[in-house]
This record gives sequence, structure tokens and C-alpha cells, in this order.
Amino acid sequence: QSALTQPASVSGSPGQSITISCTGTSSDVGGYKYVSWYQQHPGKAPKLLIYDVSNRPSGVSNRFSGSKSGNTASLTISGLQAEDEADYYCSSYTSTYTLGAVFGGGTKLTVL
Amino acid sequence: QVQLVQSGAEVKKPGSSMKVSCKASGGTFSSYAFSWVRQAPGQGLEWVGGIIPIFGAATYAQKFQGRVTITADKSTSTVYMELSSLRSEDTAVYYCARLGHGPPRYYFDYWGQGTLATVSS
Repeated sequence: QSALTQPASVSGSPGQSITISCTGTSSDVGGYKYVSWYQQHPGKAPKLLIYDVSNRPSGVSNRFSGSKSGNTASLTISGLQAEDEADYYCSSYTSTYTLGAVFGGGTKLTVL
Repeated sequence: QVQLVQSGAEVKKPGSSMKVSCKASGGTFSSYAFSWVRQAPGQGLEWVGGIIPIFGAATYAQKFQGRVTITADKSTSTVYMELSSLRSEDTAVYYCARLGHGPPRYYFDYWGQGTLATVSS
């Protein structure tokens, strides 16, 4: 059982927007402004999309955005494209881990 | 351009050990921290442990304490993860990942290609 809770799957049509939620506790998501999101295509390594709740690394499309309210963080993907179909993982800093993080169970995004 | 290149697939017997390597290039090795994250077949991501090469001290998830050792060789810019007393549940892809600047250091900005480890009798 993962530390953070994500929906198992979400879907959307090309051009639409979708939001993936990530629920934790006051010991992780709710306690800090340190949430990150990763995209993983089948057979590939994860790719960093968002860090520090809403910051995008250089090169990541501005169609990806992050936010947080209380113990729940969210990833929004706007203008869905076929290549967005992938697994998405949230992650949060927790004082329990040094040089690490807790992860969500992952959400499978299907582009219809 | 930062690259993390991991060693090849491993097939091990239960009870044995494995050692996976991760060679970094394109960045200032010693000033960053590195972690190992694993992913069992069809499952999510799980942090195993991490190290800051310049200091040498490693930290581990409680689940792996006593079975995992993470080391770094600054002369070759390589990080290693050794996991002992292997069991079938350790079958997974093991990723090496670089930690972004902190504090805190908690997000992973570059990842290796992954090393599949299969534990089977």
C-alpha cells in the first residue's frame, strides 16, 4: 500500500483537460510545499514534470501544472495529446526520509 | 547533458546478493545526491535509499535497513547499490536517480535507464 493515494485511472479526449489528485497527510503533502510529479511511459524511466508543488523543469510543457490544497496535491494536464497517455506518479517530501520521498501508487492516463 | 548509465540485468537465486552500478556524466558528481528507487512488475515506485558522494554517508528506507548498502566512488562518478538476502519480492526494476537541489533533496531530476533484477530459484 502506497503512502500517497492516487486514482488508479483517469481518461480524457484530445484537447480536453484532466486533473489527477494525490492525497497524503499532514506529515507529507499537507505539511510542506514539496510535492513532485513524474510521467512514465511503458518500459521507460520516470520523467520529472513538476517539483515544489508547481514548478516545471526546463523543457517541460506548460500544459502541465501543479497545485496543492491541504493534504491533497493535483496535477492538471491541459490540451490533452495522444503522447500524454502514460502513468503519472506523485511524490512528497517527508521528514521520515533523508534523500528520498514517499510516492503515490500511480495513475494510468488514457487518451480516448 | 546529465546521463546516468546503469549496469545490465541481473538474475539471482534467493538468498544471494546483487550489486548494481550507476555511472554519472555531464554534471558535478560530488555536489549532488543520488538515490535508488525500485519498481516491482506492474507496481508503483518505492524509494530504497540515497547517498551524497561528497560526504559518503548513505540513508535507507526502514524496509531495507540491514539488507542494502549504497556507496559512491568519486574517482569514477559511480554510485552502487548492493542488496543482500534476496527474495522473490525483490524482483523489480531498480532505478538510479539524481536528486534535485535542496534543501530538502526530495525530487529526482534525472533517472538512469533502469536495471531489471529477477530473483528466482
